[in-house]
Amino acid sequence: AQSVTQLDSQVPVFEEAPVELRCNYSSSVSVYLFWYVQYPNQGLQLLLKYLSGSTLVKGINGFEAEFNKSQTSFHLRKPSVHISDTAEYFCAVTPNNAGNMLTFGGGTRLMVKP
Amino acid sequence: DAGITQSPRHKVTETGTPVTLRCHQTENHRYMYWYRQDPGHGLRLIHYSYGVKDTDKGEVSDGYSVSRSKTEDFLLTLESATSSQTSVYFCAITRDLNQPQHFGDGTRLSIL
Repeated sequence: AQSVTQLDSQVPVFEEAPVELRCNYSSSVSVYLFWYVQYPNQGLQLLLKYLSGSTLVKGINGFEAEFNKSQTSFHLRKPSVHISDTAEYFCAVTPNNAGNMLTFGGGTRLMVKP
Repeated sequence: DAGITQSPRHKVTETGTPVTLRCHQTENHRYMYWYRQDPGHGLRLIHYSYGVKDTDKGEVSDGYSVSRSKTEDFLLTLESATSSQTSVYFCAITRDLNQPQHFGDGTRLSIL
């Protein structure tokens, strides 16, 4: 079984500041990793994914994440946030050998202040 | 957006009544999923489907059943709704097992 821990439930940050949203996972098998964003009253939208290859992955809206296998982490970063980045962000994993059944973290609410 | 429509978008009902939520897709994707979203828990998998009449249980399947008689429709049924099933329900689809899932806009269900 897999588990995902998002270490911060809320992250307040000022506009144009950098931000890092932390995600750690636990799994006995190799995994695929994803970050999703959810704006109010909407579904989840894929930000980026790691399936294989380069450990630094770039996504939409200027976000990137780095897969660190030894630390079982997949932290999300953005060098300069905008007000419009205010949303909830979810890290998710699935075993790469079966099912595509996602296990989600509890979410991190990013609050960008002017 | 992927062609996923969830209906209804909002529903309020009473404890003990049956409830059916519908997920309709126009992408002809083989794999479909139902999740529930609760504060602090992220999304948790209820049931999933690998094709017509091929479904299986997820992490939180107790009190829920599903049916998939056509590729495009995946129904989630609460046979006798309880207050603990008050939640936001999301449907997701994917074409392949190594591809990301795409989500609908959700159904907000309140059980009084």
